[in-house]
Amino acid sequence: KQEVTQIPAALSVPEGENLVLNCSFTDSAIYNLQWFRQDPGKGLTSLLLIQSSQREQTSGRLNASLDKSSGRSTLYIAASQPGDSATYLCAVKWQGGKLIFGQGTELSVKP
Amino acid sequence: EAEVAQSPRYKITEKSQAVAFWCDPISGHATLYWYRQILGQGPELLVQFQDESVVDDSQLPKDRFSAERLKGVDSTLKIQPAELGDSAMYLCASTFRTGTDEQYFGPGTRLTVT
Repeated sequence: KQEVTQIPAALSVPEGENLVLNCSFTDSAIYNLQWFRQDPGKGLTSLLLIQSSQREQTSGRLNASLDKSSGRSTLYIAASQPGDSATYLCAVKWQGGKLIFGQGTELSVKP
Repeated sequence: EAEVAQSPRYKITEKSQAVAFWCDPISGHATLYWYRQILGQGPELLVQFQDESVVDDSQLPKDRFSAERLKGVDSTLKIQPAELGDSAMYLCASTFRTGTDEQYFGPGTRLTVT
């Protein structure tokens, strides 16, 4: 069964800290992997998309890596800010086109 | 910047009533998805359209849910009758094609069934 798991479910860090969010998935035959941000009661904002042939993608203070052989992806956030507080969701696309999501990591950055 | 539009943003309804949600994908996007997100969980796919055809509705509770995309552009998701357990965020997303394309999400409709 194709599944996506995110650990931890919640994370609290002081402002300025660098942090890593983890995502693991079964079945390495993926098309791509997407990281999303979701603010409370809002829709999903796409942060980074990594195709299966890529190892990492960067956008500003965000860096996402992909290791298909081990079924893992990490989202690295540098110099965290209170405005980064949100839920971060990892989603994997396998053949067929639908995304399968993890449960998310709720991040709180304290001033 | 092109966006996925959804309406209404919020809906409160009594159980056993009918409710409908509307989605307008980004112009030119052939693939449209409806997801349901229960509080504290990740979204789960309900139905996927390629143009006007249903590609995957394996997780759609067909006894009460229906979805259509008659002209291959905008789409409607309907629940009749609504149950307390249907309270959730309903998200619409679209991609230009399936496969490797990035999915873009709308703001969602928050449904509360009382």
